[in-house]
Amino acid sequence: KAGVTQTPRYLIKTRGQQVTLSCSPISGHRSVSWYQQTPGQGLQFLFEYFSETQRNKGNFPGRFSGRQFSNSRSEMNVSTLELGDSALYLCASSLALHTNTGELFFGEGSRLTVL
Amino acid sequence: AQSVTQLGSHVSVSEGALVLLRCNYSSSVPPYLFWYVQYPNQGLQLLLKYTSAATLVKGINGFEAEFKKSETSFHLTKPSAHMSDAAEYFCAVSDSGAGNQFYFGTGTSLTVIP
Repeated sequence: KAGVTQTPRYLIKTRGQQVTLSCSPISGHRSVSWYQQTPGQGLQFLFEYFSETQRNKGNFPGRFSGRQFSNSRSEMNVSTLELGDSALYLCASSLALHTNTGELFFGEGSRLTVL
Repeated sequence: AQSVTQLGSHVSVSEGALVLLRCNYSSSVPPYLFWYVQYPNQGLQLLLKYTSAATLVKGINGFEAEFKKSETSFHLTKPSAHMSDAAEYFCAVSDSGAGNQFYFGTGTSLTVIP
């Protein structure tokens, strides 16, 4: 069974630009979560999607947005990039039906560098 | 809200020595607790999880963790460290409410000295 796939793995942008990251979950997983990982802040929860609906949202500005498609694939977008947005963005999928005992399965991440 | 605290951002052990990584949680309801490991330039991989069954949980690669409600702890141990155990370890708790939101600790970097 294929794991969680994130694209692109690495990208470099300049301040003010926008970026779109993609995540394909494990087949059958309907929940997709996004996390931002930085050395200083650790893993910070961005948002979670389930059946194309945003179910939870972390404490990030509106420049960070996401969506989920009918095939459970998800994208996140960051507009008007700032230097502080440089981070590893991790996507995780889960079965997460009506309980949250299911673990998260992580992709390898998309490393964004903002210059 | 749930939270976890990992004591010690860096831990060094000799090869063959006991590994002990500490995690304390804060939760107003019975929690679901997890330990994840992250190798360089990779995502996180589940080591083990506690979901209110047995208090001593065995995971992959010889790791185990014990849930102690009285101490609100979920420390990770391994009897004998191996060089391949060098990585970043994260403790996490999941929200008992709707959704699937996890709260991660700040991580502990484990160095294994040959």
